[in-house]
Amino acid sequence: AQSVTQPDIHITVSEGASLELRCNYSYGATPYLFWYVQSPGQGLQLLLKYFSGDTLVQGIKGFEAEFKRSQSSFNLRKPSVHWSDAAEYFCAVGVREYGNKLVFGAGTILRVKS
Amino acid sequence: DARVTQTPRDKVTEMGQEVTMRCQPILGHNTVFWYRQTMMQGLELLAYFRNRAPLDDSGMPKDRFSAEMPDATLATLKIQPSEPRDSAVYFCASGLVRETGSAADTQYFGPGTRLTVL
Repeated sequence: AQSVTQPDIHITVSEGASLELRCNYSYGATPYLFWYVQSPGQGLQLLLKYFSGDTLVQGIKGFEAEFKRSQSSFNLRKPSVHWSDAAEYFCAVGVREYGNKLVFGAGTILRVKS
Repeated sequence: DARVTQTPRDKVTEMGQEVTMRCQPILGHNTVFWYRQTMMQGLELLAYFRNRAPLDDSGMPKDRFSAEMPDATLATLKIQPSEPRDSAVYFCASGLVRETGSAADTQYFGPGTRLTVL
């Protein structure tokens, strides 16, 4: 079965510091991978997605993610975090066999300290 | 700026009452998904539609939940009777899936309906 693991429930970084959020997936076919961000009381906003081609994907708000097939990972990175980045981040895999439904990880809550 | 809209944003009800949540997908999108978010289970898919036809509702408790798309601009999720364990945030998402059926097509999420069943 498809699954996504985000091993870090909470992460705290200082403003201006770099950020890496981990994501590992389990999927039998070529994965389609997504990162979404959710601010408190809000819906989910797509940050970036990978489906083929260049394994380094650029997204909105200065985020990027790298797909590593050998490690079954799709880690999200940002070189310099801003206080407004504090939110919850979800990694997801798209399951083509089931109408493109998304299987989400448990999420990582990012706190930014000034 | 096209968005998915959901109503109501918040709903507090008593156990046993009927609850109906509504979603207006982005115009032109042909796929609608209903997700539920709880602290314990995280985000989980309840049901989804393509071209208004239900494709999978295996994530939904059949005895009390029902999902429909009366027309292309409205999706509904109904709970009857509601129970305290149904308390959650319910998200609707829509997307445009082409004939090739690429899972890379983006799903756009609404703001959610926060349901509290007392």
